[in-house]
Amino acid sequence: EPEVTQTPSHQVTQMGQEVILRCVPISNHLYFYWYRQILGQKVEFLVSFYNNEISEKSEIFDDQFSVERPDGSNFTLKIRSTKLEDSAMYFCAVRDSLWDTQYFGPGTRLTVL
Amino acid sequence: AQSVSQHNHHVILSEAASLELGCNYSYGGTVNLFWYVQYPGQHLQLLLKYFSGDPLVKGIKGFEAEFIKSKFSFNLRKPSVQWSDTAEYFCAVTLNSGGYQKVTFGTGTKLQVIP
Repeated sequence: EPEVTQTPSHQVTQMGQEVILRCVPISNHLYFYWYRQILGQKVEFLVSFYNNEISEKSEIFDDQFSVERPDGSNFTLKIRSTKLEDSAMYFCAVRDSLWDTQYFGPGTRLTVL
Repeated sequence: AQSVSQHNHHVILSEAASLELGCNYSYGGTVNLFWYVQYPGQHLQLLLKYFSGDPLVKGIKGFEAEFIKSKFSFNLRKPSVQWSDTAEYFCAVTLNSGGYQKVTFGTGTKLQVIP
């Protein structure tokens, strides 16, 4: 199973601040995803990223969100101006193209005050 | 758009009891089906998956699931649960149609196993 690490494990920020969440896949992967899970709710798809561009995004992924893979390794999710409702666990996932399965990182808990 | 429903939100069992967690999906085409587990304080881990072939799939830790196409179901089973199975279980689906295949999750079932 591919390993995925995420940093930080917990981020506390003030409303209106920018945050960057990082994902580091251990192996080489082509497909990357971000999901979020608001406390007590289900895991929701945010965005998929392939070949250095967004391939699909949900209605949650508005202009406040952006993703990039700046150095060919880290895969980042940026929230430009955080809102209270952005408080959630954010999971990065990579897709094993051979077995068509997504593997998830440990998540970053984002708390917006 | 595809959707996944899990019937039980919270299940409490004694050790050695049998487990069955329900999962139904709605989508007219071909899907890939998954069960993920999230142990307390840990990340989502793949328990088992079904793409094609034998509709009864076996996963890790003694879990199995059966795909019944006519019922759009993919129920998770384990003959005898252990305290260490206490976790939240998520049924999930991706479309088997190529593309970038986002995962659509069910709402999850919290399983509590009492020693």
